[in-house]
Amino acid sequence: AQSVAQPEDQVNVAEGNPLTVKCTYSVSGNPYLFWYVQYPNRGLQFLLKYITGDNLVKGSYGFEAEFNKSQTSFHLKKPSALVSDSALYFCAVREQTGANNLFFGTGTRLTVIP
Amino acid sequence: GAGVSQTPSNKVTEKGKYVELRCDPISGHTALYWYRQSLGQGPEFLIYFQGTGAADDSGLPNDRFFAVRPEGSVSTLKIQRTERGDSAVYLCASSPALLHNEQFFGPGTRLTVL
Repeated sequence: AQSVAQPEDQVNVAEGNPLTVKCTYSVSGNPYLFWYVQYPNRGLQFLLKYITGDNLVKGSYGFEAEFNKSQTSFHLKKPSALVSDSALYFCAVREQTGANNLFFGTGTRLTVIP
Repeated sequence: GAGVSQTPSNKVTEKGKYVELRCDPISGHTALYWYRQSLGQGPEFLIYFQGTGAADDSGLPNDRFFAVRPEGSVSTLKIQRTERGDSAVYLCASSPALLHNEQFFGPGTRLTVL
């Protein structure tokens, strides 16, 4: 069975400070991992993905995420937060050889305080 | 280029009625997915098409839900005898065939069953 946990419903960070949004996953095989962002009244937008290779993945809008196999984590990070980063963030996983659909976490609301 | 589009953006119906939700995927994408997102939750998988056929419909909650993709492009999600618990945002996504590709999401249809 596949699952994703986002342990924090809400993350607050001051503008200009680094941010981290946590994600841990569970799959029976090797994972493909994704981060999506959702702005109010808009669809999910793809940020970045881990497929294979380098554990540090860089994505859109200055975001990056680090795949840690031993800790089964894929935390989203950004060195300097912007007010415009405030949104709902979803981590998702699929098995490399399993079902085609994505399994999503429950989301983390990021608020960047000016 | 054009993204995934969904119509209508909002649908209000009465309990027991039939509804159809439409999805226009990105041109050339062979894979199409339907998800349902309830308030405060991440998207939950409903059904996946590869071409014209439903490759995986294991996420459909019951036989009131059905989806088609007759020509391998546009898809329609059909819900019979709607119930109040069906109220949610229904998301459509498409992707190229390869499993590690990210899915591109539409803006969703907000269904409200009174």
